[in-house]
Amino acid sequence: QSALTQPPSASGSPGQSVTISCTGTSSDIGGYNYVSWYQQHPGKAPKLMIYEVIKRPSGVPDRFSGSKSGNTASLTVSGLQAEDEADYYCSSYAGSNNPYVFGTGTKVTVL
Amino acid sequence: QVQLQQSGPGLMKPSQTLSLTCAISGDSVSSNSAAWNWIRQSPSRGLEWLGKTYYRSKWYKDYAVSMKSRITLNPDTSNNQFSLQLNSVTPEDTAVYYCARDPRGGGYFDLWGRGTLVTVSS
Repeated sequence: QSALTQPPSASGSPGQSVTISCTGTSSDIGGYNYVSWYQQHPGKAPKLMIYEVIKRPSGVPDRFSGSKSGNTASLTVSGLQAEDEADYYCSSYAGSNNPYVFGTGTKVTVL
Repeated sequence: QVQLQQSGPGLMKPSQTLSLTCAISGDSVSSNSAAWNWIRQSPSRGLEWLGKTYYRSKWYKDYAVSMKSRITLNPDTSNNQFSLQLNSVTPEDTAVYYCARDPRGGGYFDLWGRGTLVTVSS
C-alpha cells in the first residue's frame, strides 16, 4: 500500500489561510469517507485534528476544516497562529487487507 | 481522562525480539467499540500502521501485510493493556513506536501514547 501524497511544505503569515492537499486513489481516499488529519509538533505524538473527512474532535478550533473531492482530501487552517506551525499528516482507511494508510507529511511554517 | 502509557526497551540488537506494552487507563482493552493499535514513525518510512487488536464478542487481531510474518499483538485483560512483539528486528525497524486508540473502528486515532524510540544497532 503506497503512502498518500502531500506537499512537503506550506506556509502563511499570521491570520492568513493555508490549505494542504492529500492525494490517494479510489482504493483509499476515493473509496471511503474515512479521512483523518493529524498535527504533530517536534518530539510529540500526533494529535487528531479532523476525522471522517470533515468532523472536528472536541477542543479542536474551528479554524481547522477538512474536505474531500474524488481521490484528494484537503485540510484548511484559517486565521493562522504561531502555534499552528507543525507537521501535518493525512490518513485514510484503505480496505480490510491493509486498513490504514498515512500521508507523507507537510511542514507548515507560520511566517 | 483516558491515557495510554507505553513501556519497553529503547535499544536492541539485530535478530532480537522487540516487546512493547501499552497500559490503558480510563478505558478498557475489552471495549466493544474501540480498537487498539500500534503505529511506528521513522524518517525513511514515515508513519506506518502495524496492527490492531479489538474485542467484538471474541478477540480479533489484524496486521499490516508487510509485518504479518514477524508481528504479534496480544491483549492482557488482567492488566488492561496490550502488547506488541516484533521478531527478528533489523536496523530498518528503528523508529518511534506509538500505541493508539481507534474509538469506534472508524479508521482514525483519537488517543496516542507518548511514543517509544526503539533503536536497533549492533
